[in-house]
Amino acid sequence: AQTVTQSQPEMSVQEAETVTLSCTYDTSESDYYLFWYKQPPSRQMILVIRQEAYKQQNATENRFSVNFQKAAKSFSLKISDSQLGDAAMYFCAYRSADSGKSTFGDGTTLTVKP
Amino acid sequence: EPEVTQTPSHQVTQMGQEVILRCVPISNHLYFYWYRQILGQKVEFLVSFYNNEISEKSEIFDDQFSVERPDGSNFTLKIRSTKLEDSAMYFCASSEGQATTNEKLFFGSGTQLSVL
Repeated sequence: AQTVTQSQPEMSVQEAETVTLSCTYDTSESDYYLFWYKQPPSRQMILVIRQEAYKQQNATENRFSVNFQKAAKSFSLKISDSQLGDAAMYFCAYRSADSGKSTFGDGTTLTVKP
Repeated sequence: EPEVTQTPSHQVTQMGQEVILRCVPISNHLYFYWYRQILGQKVEFLVSFYNNEISEKSEIFDDQFSVERPDGSNFTLKIRSTKLEDSAMYFCASSEGQATTNEKLFFGSGTQLSVL
C-alpha cells in the first residue's frame, strides 16, 4: 500500500517570502500522480498543483512550484511571494494510475505572518 | 467555475440513527467519490462510483455504508446506523474522466457530521 508522509506539522513564513513544504511517499509503482491540495479554514479542498510521475519537468502554477525527485520519492511544494491568503492546511496526495483512490498525507499547517 | 455541491453543511444525529449525505456533482462528470476527514486527521478515501456501480472501496466502507445515484444529478452516501466514530467531515468529489489518469478531482465543501 502507498503511504504519504508530511514531516512538517506546522510551518510559518513571512509575507512575501518563500516557503517549502516537504512530502515523501512510498510506492512500488512506476506510474502515478502527485497532488498538493490547500484546505483553508472553510475546510474545502482546493487543488493547488499536480504532477505526473512520468514527467521529469517540475510542475508550476503561478507562485506555486514543485520539486519532484522520483528516485528519492520526494515531492515538495514551494510557495513564492507568500500572501496572507496562502495560510491554510496543505495536503500532499498520491494517486495510482491503476486506481481512482487518492492517498493523503497528514497535512502541514502554514501560517503567513504579515 | 462549476462546483460540487454538498448538503447539508452540518448534520447532527443520534448514535444508531441513519443519515444520508447528499452531493450534486458537476453535471458532465462521470466519476464520483466520497472521502472523510476526522478532525485533526488526514483525509481518507471511502468509495469511488462509476456507471451506477462501486468501482473501489476502502476498509472503512463497511456494510453500514452505501452509495447511490438515485437520479441524474444526486449522489448520496448513507450510513445505516451511525457510531460515535463516524463523526467527521465528509467530502464528495467528482471528475470528468477516470481518476486513473491525471484527471482533476473537484471537491465539495463538505458535510460535517456529528454523532452524539
